[in-house]
Amino acid sequence: EAQVTQNPRYLITVTGKKLTVTCSQNMNHEYMSWYRQDPGLGLRQIYYSMNVEVTDKGDVPEGYKVSRKEKRNFPLILESPSPNQTSLYFCASSPLGEISGANVLTFGAGSRLTVL
Amino acid sequence: LAKTTQPISMDSYEGQEVNITCSHNNIATNDYITWYQQFPSQGPRFIIQGYKTKVTNEVASLFIPADRKSSTLSLPRVSLSDTAVYYCLVGDMDSSASKIIFGSGTRLSIRP
Repeated sequence: EAQVTQNPRYLITVTGKKLTVTCSQNMNHEYMSWYRQDPGLGLRQIYYSMNVEVTDKGDVPEGYKVSRKEKRNFPLILESPSPNQTSLYFCASSPLGEISGANVLTFGAGSRLTVL
Repeated sequence: LAKTTQPISMDSYEGQEVNITCSHNNIATNDYITWYQQFPSQGPRFIIQGYKTKVTNEVASLFIPADRKSSTLSLPRVSLSDTAVYYCLVGDMDSSASKIIFGSGTRLSIRP
């Protein structure tokens, strides 16, 4: 089944304890992206990647890092989590196909992170 | 990426047709219009996509006028399970401007 898999789905951690949220897709998509969703603020893009070793900042990159060493994986790293990073996180991927502008995102199920 | 404007919320009843309009005045020639549906605590999922005129699939229809400055998502005979947030996106991920802005979406509530 074509899907985007995120882990963990739920995590409670403490301030300053480094954590990584993994994201893996099995559709050979070039484009991958991370979003956070907070009440009243909608979905905000954190980082995105157009392909292996190509990453760039979204709208809210502060406090996060990403890497894209393999095409299928795009982990989100919180080096020193803080309570304001408590949120629902989504990973998504998309092909960069021949029809410009017609690419469709496939989202993971989400990872709910709580930083105490 | 073209900015979109949608109503914040809409209410309807089971069995009715619901139309959600999205305004995108700055749409570019290459831009497609894509709609996503999101249930609480789940990731958005693709509903429908179009470039011009009308597109229909098993879930919805998408109407796009000739000037493409707006689009209307039409959900026929809605049910309680259609209660969700609906996002309209316009843009192109192939360009250098690959930030994808979802906006606030339209919160659709269906009543019995």
